[in-house]
Amino acid sequence: LAKTTQPISMDSYEGQEVNITCSHNNIATNDYITWYQQFPSQGPRFIIQGYKTKVTNEVASLFIPADRKSSTLSLPRVSLSDTAVYYCLVGERNQGGKLIFGQGTELSVKP
Amino acid sequence: NAGVTQTPKFQVLKTGQSMTLQCAQDMNHNSMYWYRQDPGMGLRLIYYSASEGTTDKGEVPNGYNVSRLNKREFSLRLESAAPSQTSVYFCASSEIYSGPQKTEAFFGQGTRLTVV
Repeated sequence: LAKTTQPISMDSYEGQEVNITCSHNNIATNDYITWYQQFPSQGPRFIIQGYKTKVTNEVASLFIPADRKSSTLSLPRVSLSDTAVYYCLVGERNQGGKLIFGQGTELSVKP
Repeated sequence: NAGVTQTPKFQVLKTGQSMTLQCAQDMNHNSMYWYRQDPGMGLRLIYYSASEGTTDKGEVPNGYNVSRLNKREFSLRLESAAPSQTSVYFCASSEIYSGPQKTEAFFGQGTRLTVV
């Protein structure tokens, strides 16, 4: 099973760009990388998903190097409302659909 | 636009009591999941169902049973509740693709369970 490693916590200030890196050394050839965001007292919600290079949507960008052993979620110009826990997931396609969430990264955005 | 609906939202049980948490989704997804989340922790998978009629253990299945009643509904049962099962429980559904289609899980609002 693909295992992911992320920093436990990060701090930032409003207006800064935040980059959260996830390590997934044993990613399989057909694995995709998915990031979720969870606010307190809510269920996680999908942010972005990618396979290689760069993916961008209205919320974030996802950078994946050629070896795909890591990925970086980039949040441009964060605000207080971006304070949340961010999870990186890999490998559900090869795990019979089993979605395993790790510890996640707790991002705290300060004024 | 209901998505994933969980009931109840809050529940207090006495040790040894039983209860069933209900979950229903209206997105025609094949896969459904039950997670628990303890304070300050990530989500841990209890059970999941890849399709109607199938269920599999996740990371922390002990003390729980599940039923995939039909494609829409996936219930979680605590036969004899223990204080260690005090947690927030989330149900989710998804469609898992082998190809490049986006795989996105949708979560319910959660059930806050306290066992005293």
